[in-house]
Amino acid sequence: DSGVTQTPKHLITATGQRVTLRCSPRSGDLSVYWYQQSLDQGLQFLIQYYNGEERAKGNILERFSAQQFPDLHSELNLSSLELGDSALYFCASSPRPSSHEQYFGPGTRLTVT
Amino acid sequence: AQSVTQPDIHITVSEGASLELRCNYSYGATPYLFWYVQSPGQGLQLLLKYFSGDTLVQGIKGFEAEFKRSQSSFNLRKPSVHWSDAAEYFCAVRAGGTSYGKLTFGQGTILTVHP
Repeated sequence: DSGVTQTPKHLITATGQRVTLRCSPRSGDLSVYWYQQSLDQGLQFLIQYYNGEERAKGNILERFSAQQFPDLHSELNLSSLELGDSALYFCASSPRPSSHEQYFGPGTRLTVT
Repeated sequence: AQSVTQPDIHITVSEGASLELRCNYSYGATPYLFWYVQSPGQGLQLLLKYFSGDTLVQGIKGFEAEFKRSQSSFNLRKPSVHWSDAAEYFCAVRAGGTSYGKLTFGQGTILTVHP
């Protein structure tokens, strides 16, 4: 158990819908990262937050957005969902952006039908 | 931009045999390198990491990896594989000396262990 929690574990929704994935980092970690794992793209970095502020952006679609709240939990919002958005979404955390190690949560499996 | 290549998509070994999973990276400066393991339906667990110093690093579950700058490689090894090692293994690189921590992953190597 890494100490990073993600909810829900599974999510099934229809095309065009909007969903919110939630992540709670390890106690004391200030930085949160979101990754997407899909069969065709592999594991890809989406976005990073540190202490409530966006720190780095990767291959994140405009239909996707994220935020980190004052209690340090983070939410990833996915809207206008398409079949291709079906994937495993991981959250990871680290004490600071410069920290070398990232600890991953169990992931949320999103299925878009 | 950094990149990672894992040349072997799928490797099959017998239980008790030795294992080497290959990883090649591309990055201009000194990289920070990692190996993660993902069991079916599970998240990613950090096996080991290299930042600097001794190029042979030890990790959990009896794994080790060797950083070879001249070959841009960071291969994962285990002398004797157990059935419970069957999983998918990911090599990752992080840009060193930056203030942000994006990890770039390889495509993964699926390990099957035969009894």
